[in-house]
Amino acid sequence: NAGVTQTPKFQVLKTGQSMTLQCAQDMNHEYMSWYRQDPGMGLRLIHYSVGAGITDQGEVPNGYNVSRSTTEDFPLRLLSAAPSQTSVYFCASAHRSGTGGDTQYFGPGTRLTVL
Amino acid sequence: AQSVTQLDSQVPVFEEAPVELRCNYSSSVSVYLFWYVQYPNQGLQLLLKYLSGSTLVKGINGFEAEFNKSQTSFHLRKPSVHISDTAEYFCAVSVKTGANNLFFGTGTRLTVIP
Repeated sequence: NAGVTQTPKFQVLKTGQSMTLQCAQDMNHEYMSWYRQDPGMGLRLIHYSVGAGITDQGEVPNGYNVSRSTTEDFPLRLLSAAPSQTSVYFCASAHRSGTGGDTQYFGPGTRLTVL
Repeated sequence: AQSVTQLDSQVPVFEEAPVELRCNYSSSVSVYLFWYVQYPNQGLQLLLKYLSGSTLVKGINGFEAEFNKSQTSFHLRKPSVHISDTAEYFCAVSVKTGANNLFFGTGTRLTVIP
C-alpha cells in the first residue's frame, strides 16, 4: 500500500494563479481531510469529506475548494492564490469506525509558496 | 469550541534523560485525545491516543501519556530519550460525536542533545 500520496511536493505560484493540489489514498478510507501548517500555529483544518460526494468546511476554508467524486481522491483547489496561502499542506485519511477517535494517516505534504 | 495549548514551544533535553511534553485542552463537549509526531520534512504519524478506559496510554517508540480529566491535561512522557526522538510533537483533540476532525496545538519541538 502506498498509503496517502500528495503531488506536487513543491510548488511556486504567482499571486492570482490557480492550481490544484492532488491527494490520493489506497486504503479505502471514507474520511479525508486537508490541513495547512504554518509556523507557530500548528495544523488547521481547511476542508474535509466523510465519503464520496460529501464535503464540508473546516476552520480556514476561504480561498479553497474541494470535491470528492471517488473514495480515493480528494483534490484541493486554490482559486486565486494569495501570499497568505504560502504554507505546507497536508492531506489525511481515516477509516470511519462509527465511534470516532479514528487514526488519521497523513501524506508527506506539499510546500506551496505564493509570490 | 475546542482549543489545545502546548505550553512549551521548544524543549531541549540530553540523550538518555527523561522528558515530559505538556498539553492542556479546553472543550465544551467530550473529546478524544491524540499525540502525533512529525520528523523533519515528513508528514505526521500517530504516537498514541486516548479513547476511553485506563488513563495511562502507551504508544510507539516508548512514549506514554496520561489523561487527567480534572486538570484537562494529556501530557506526553518518555523515561529515556534518544537522538532519533528529535522531532516536532503535536497534541490534538477530536469531538466524540464529530467527523474525526482534529484540532491541533501549536506543537513542541523536542531537541535531543548528544
